[in-house]
Amino acid sequence: GESVGLHLPTLSVQEGDNSIINCAYSNSASDYFIWYKQESGKGPQFIIDIRSNMDKRQGQRVTVLLNKTVKHLSLQIAATQPGDSAVYFCAENWANAGNMLTFGGGTRLMVKP
Amino acid sequence: GAGVSQSPSNKVTEKGKDVELRCDPISGHTALYWYRQSLGQGLEFLIYFQGNSAPDKSGLPSDRFSAERTGGSVSTLTIQRTQQEDSAVYLCASSFDRSTNEKLFFGSGTQLSVL
Repeated sequence: GESVGLHLPTLSVQEGDNSIINCAYSNSASDYFIWYKQESGKGPQFIIDIRSNMDKRQGQRVTVLLNKTVKHLSLQIAATQPGDSAVYFCAENWANAGNMLTFGGGTRLMVKP
Repeated sequence: GAGVSQSPSNKVTEKGKDVELRCDPISGHTALYWYRQSLGQGLEFLIYFQGNSAPDKSGLPSDRFSAERTGGSVSTLTIQRTQQEDSAVYLCASSFDRSTNEKLFFGSGTQLSVL
């Protein structure tokens, strides 16, 4: 999801359900992607990354999927917990940009108990 | 330190005043970045430093904004003659090396409010 001004896209899920947060990136030359989680009043925290030579990578309760054909990235959170409530940002990078990450607008995840 | 440290955590100032925001990166990290985050928005790149190279200032919104990094470590972001539209969270991040794909580690930010 991309930001639309002051109103972040919001995903509301029930505790225990799986969550899927989507991101469309802009540059077909991007070769590195990161998901960050930002809780209220805190800086973004690294969750998981993936390089363009992969289409899936798994972490603890999280999976990132990369579809280069349609320039789409998704973050899947298994068994969503109240502590997962936060704003999630995707970021992309490409080799010629050094380590200059370009961030998406963010999606707010709300977990209902 | 163990993480990126920013100070102050909150700053309230009057329109027209100058402010200085400080960032202590993770020890050993050669790359340092400043981002701005307005309420409910994504992250807007401002400036980055890599070692002793000239900084990339391409994201600075106006000449009222400047930053320096002394001794390749601590960085200060200065906003002169602050305006209400400068109100935002200013985030600092560092990484080990800018030349490769490296994840950035962020501080908790400075919440700037210009009255």
